[in-house]
Amino acid sequence: QVQLQESGPGLVKPSETLSLTCTVSGASISNYFWSWIRQPAGKGLEWIGRISTTGSILYSPSLASRVTMSVDMSKNQFSLKLTSVTAADTAVYYCARLRKTGVIWYPDDYWGQGTLVTVSS
Amino acid sequence: DIVMTQSPDSLAVSLGERATISCRSSQSLLYNYNNKNYLAWYQQKPGQPPKLLIYWASTRESGVPDRFSGSGSGTDFTLTVSSLQAEDVAIYYCQQYVSAPRTFGQGTKVEIK
Repeated sequence: QVQLQESGPGLVKPSETLSLTCTVSGASISNYFWSWIRQPAGKGLEWIGRISTTGSILYSPSLASRVTMSVDMSKNQFSLKLTSVTAADTAVYYCARLRKTGVIWYPDDYWGQGTLVTVSS
Repeated sequence: DIVMTQSPDSLAVSLGERATISCRSSQSLLYNYNNKNYLAWYQQKPGQPPKLLIYWASTRESGVPDRFSGSGSGTDFTLTVSSLQAEDVAIYYCQQYVSAPRTFGQGTKVEIK
């Protein structure tokens, strides 16, 4: 049973850096790609980016200047950092798994429960 | 970015009746390499993460009831719930995954009439 669990501070001050970690169980982090997606309260879903253990990283152009993703294979975890946050970054942040077979991509199939991050002083 | 537009924004359907949601993309989601449409449908209930229902526009994810079906190709797609059950009350999102950034529709809220 694949499970993903987000963790990190629930409150971040404006202009500071949001840092989240996603811990994966039931699957090796080496065999898949991993993504971050966020959802402001009462609004839709925004894809932040994806990463693999092979060094393949892709960020959404709208956030690329502020986003950094990384992977820790020893802990089966991957992480998100978002710098210079404002109130507009307040959202539930989800981590998810996505598969790629050869050149064929699949949608995000397993999701964490999400963690609410509020940006406020 | 590919823009995904769903309609309607909300709908109310009687128990046992059909619910139909449309999703339109600003570019074709058909990938010539494997002749598949890179369109997924998700269901999100309050306080829960989205759940993958359908991918390749019409392939049901394992464990998804067969009252859920997807159709369409190119830029126009449909999610149909053939006989709405109480547990189907949720917001439904379409997502394109043919190109990055992956983008979602704005969501369609389905309620019981």
